[in-house]
Formats: sequence, C-alpha cells, structure tokens
Amino acid sequence: GNSVTQMEGPVTLSEEAFLTINCTYTATGYPSLFWYVQYPGEGLQLLLKATKADDKGSNKGFEATYRKETTSFHLEKGSVQVSDSAVYFCALISNFGNEKLTFGTGTRLTIIP
Amino acid sequence: KAGVTQTPRYLIKTRGQQVTLSCSPISGHRSVSWYQQTPGQGLQFLFEYFSETQRNKGNFPGRFSGRQFSNSRSEMNVSTLELGDSALYLCASSLVGGPGDEQFFGPGTRLTVL
Repeated sequence: GNSVTQMEGPVTLSEEAFLTINCTYTATGYPSLFWYVQYPGEGLQLLLKATKADDKGSNKGFEATYRKETTSFHLEKGSVQVSDSAVYFCALISNFGNEKLTFGTGTRLTIIP
Repeated sequence: KAGVTQTPRYLIKTRGQQVTLSCSPISGHRSVSWYQQTPGQGLQFLFEYFSETQRNKGNFPGRFSGRQFSNSRSEMNVSTLELGDSALYLCASSLVGGPGDEQFFGPGTRLTVL
C-alpha cells in the first residue's frame, strides 16, 4: 500500500535559518504529492503540491521538488520566520484506485526569534 | 467563497454514547472526506463520499459511519464511544475527489470521550 515517511520532529530553528524537512514515499504508479501545514487550533492548509516527476511546488517561500528516482519530496525554505511555526505534513494521493490522502506523521517546527 | 465548516467545534461525551458530527463543504464541491487525527496514530482516512455514495473507506470499525446529503453536506456518526475515539475529526472537500483535486480542510471537531 501507499505510505509516507517523514522526518521526525520536533525541529527548532532560529529565525532566518534554512529549513529542510525530509519526506519519502512508497506508492503504486505516479502519485500526486502535497505538503500541508497545520497552525495551532486549526485544520490543515495546502502549502504546495506537485503532480508529476520533476515538478516543483512553491508557495510563501517554501519549495519542494517531486523526485521520482529517489521517491522524495523534501520541503525547503531559505529563511524561516517565527510565523512559520506549525506542524507540517507530507502527503500523497494515488493516481488510480483509492483516491485518499495518505499522510506522514507530521513534523512540528518551532522558530525562535 | 466560504470555506469548509464543521460543527460543533468541540464535544465532550462519555463512553458508550454516540455522536454525530457535521461538515458543510465549499459550495460546488461534491466530494467530502473524513479524517481522524490523534497524537499516536496521526492522520487516518475514515471515508469519502461523492454524490451521496460512499466511494472509499478506511480501516475503521463499523461503529464509524457516515452519510452525504443531496446538497453535499456530510455527517459522520460514531456509536458506542470508546476512550480511544478522542481525537480531532477533520473534514475535507474537493470538487470531484480526483487525484490532482485539491482537498480543502475544515477546522475540525475536537471530540473528547470521558
């Protein structure tokens, strides 16, 4: 079945530091890949997505590239801010059959001023 | 355009009771999915409804059920509540629920079972 393995947290960084959160996946076929963010007390918001190999998703300074050869979709940001503190979830949805989101375990990110 | 709304936002129940949670999708969205979020198990898929029919189901016991109405609003029901059912229940809607279709999440209903 499909699965997503995500970097263990929590991650604590200083403001303006470089961020990488690793994500690798196992899936049948060619899934679509997503990063969701959850702020305290809220539901999930889509941060970025990529639907085919070599696609780069980007939003709010965050980027992730769909790497089929390494089955990875690592999240990066060049300079984090305190407002980026949240829980980040990597997820995939299969391109055929069971169209449900499969999530990683989430990575809690805390940015210190 | 209004987002996905879930009611109630918070619920406290006791073991053995049953509960019904409601989700109103974004206008025009016909697919509604439900997820359970717990610290131990993370985010797990419960079921998905499209055009009033359950199209996908996760690995949850039969105590968890749902339905969708003709206006795409959805409800989920949990009967004979157990302590382990305490969780944040998230609803997500999308246009048709296809693979590249963005799912928009509601704020969730936090259920506490005592």
